[in-house]
Amino acid sequence: NAGVTQTPKFQVLKTGQSMTLQCAQDMNHEYMSWYRQDPGMGLRLIHYSVGAGITDQGEVPNGYNVSRSTTEDFPLRLLSAAPSQTSVYFCASALMGASTDTQYFGPGTRLTVL
Amino acid sequence: AQTVTQSQPEMSVQEAETVTLSCTYDTSESDYYLFWYKQPPSRQMILVIRQEAYKQQNATENRFSVNFQKAAKSFSLKISDSQLGDAAMYFCAYRSGGGATNKLIFGTGTLLAVQP
Repeated sequence: NAGVTQTPKFQVLKTGQSMTLQCAQDMNHEYMSWYRQDPGMGLRLIHYSVGAGITDQGEVPNGYNVSRSTTEDFPLRLLSAAPSQTSVYFCASALMGASTDTQYFGPGTRLTVL
Repeated sequence: AQTVTQSQPEMSVQEAETVTLSCTYDTSESDYYLFWYKQPPSRQMILVIRQEAYKQQNATENRFSVNFQKAAKSFSLKISDSQLGDAAMYFCAYRSGGGATNKLIFGTGTLLAVQP
């Protein structure tokens, strides 16, 4: 049981480049989400999904796209990277429902946009 | 909209001593959950403790306990017998009840240093 995995761990992009941050979980969790962490701002929700084929925006969705074709995978796409997207990105997953709401986080991806 | 506030950007404690990290939140909901997460230098987010709003009893996990004051909307974390491994960034987080989503709202974090 690998839990939540993220690739890559580090990435440097030039402004305007595109890339996909990968996230996968093997716990059969319905809920998956992406957060970004910036100094002095905590973690902020980018996008989330409550099941395959269902996604929705979080607090800071601009510049990011997501899709959820399978229960296991929830990739985050940057279509045209900007320096403001320099951040640490975390993927998280959880079972739905009030009694099993513990979120499991991946190890994070540190992204630098030059 | 719900907000979470951590007013202590940094704290320091001597090894074996007790420290309390503060967290306040704002919500109009009656059904919600509160969490403390630990983020060591490895960057991994680790759940420390959680509290259901409908429970009056304060949650406890070994050396970690909370002081949950629902009326005051306060949720502080007490770490007893502090250890060097407790040094980390600590985040307070809020989640609405109802089960529609698991969205977490985080505070800005408190960086805890443990002095030997």
